[in-house]
Amino acid sequence: SAVISQKPSRDICQRGTSLTIQCQVDSQVTMMFWYRQQPGQSLTLIATANQGSEATYESGFVIDKFPISRPNLTFSTLTVSNMSPEDSSIYLCSVEGVGGEGELFFGEGSRLTVL
Amino acid sequence: GQNIDQPTEMTATEGAIVQINCTYQTSGFNGLFWYQQHAGEAPTFLSYNVLDGLEEKGRFSSFLSRSKGYSYLLLKELQMKDSASYLCAANAGNMLTFGGGTRLMVKP
Repeated sequence: SAVISQKPSRDICQRGTSLTIQCQVDSQVTMMFWYRQQPGQSLTLIATANQGSEATYESGFVIDKFPISRPNLTFSTLTVSNMSPEDSSIYLCSVEGVGGEGELFFGEGSRLTVL
Repeated sequence: GQNIDQPTEMTATEGAIVQINCTYQTSGFNGLFWYQQHAGEAPTFLSYNVLDGLEEKGRFSSFLSRSKGYSYLLLKELQMKDSASYLCAANAGNMLTFGGGTRLMVKP
């Protein structure tokens, strides 16, 4: 299993500001995934971050709003830009297990509240 | 597109058995995951079914029927700590699509 550390664990942000979430994994991984979980809802994939190339965004998510960095095989950041109350959500970083069944391991999430 | 359906909420009694159903419609289906998520925590992996049939892991079992696009998670000898959301997720086209989750409340 992978150990994934995210920070901040939670934050309260003002409308119009931006916040960067960091994700650190204890082993080298090819792909890192960023999910959003809005209140009372399930997980929606935002993008897949590969080291050395641009992130691949899912329908409904764009790079200008959610820029992602992947400087090495153990670290990634997700920025939520120009936040509005609709961005209030839990943002989760995840990676695939190695040698297992392809299951995802998740960080504990970053709970953002936008006022 | 992908479509995953599961009940929103279920209630069961401590010590009982509960079955959480999940139906899916996807293209390029590879398998079906179940995750458990306690309130305020990250989801944790429970099971993965690729082939038809029942797979048992202790008190938890998961079933898959590929022809029917149907899976269920069976929880036996329910404990209070089993109160959580249970998410099914279809692995299709090398991508996971999650259902809305079923919030299970276990009562004494």
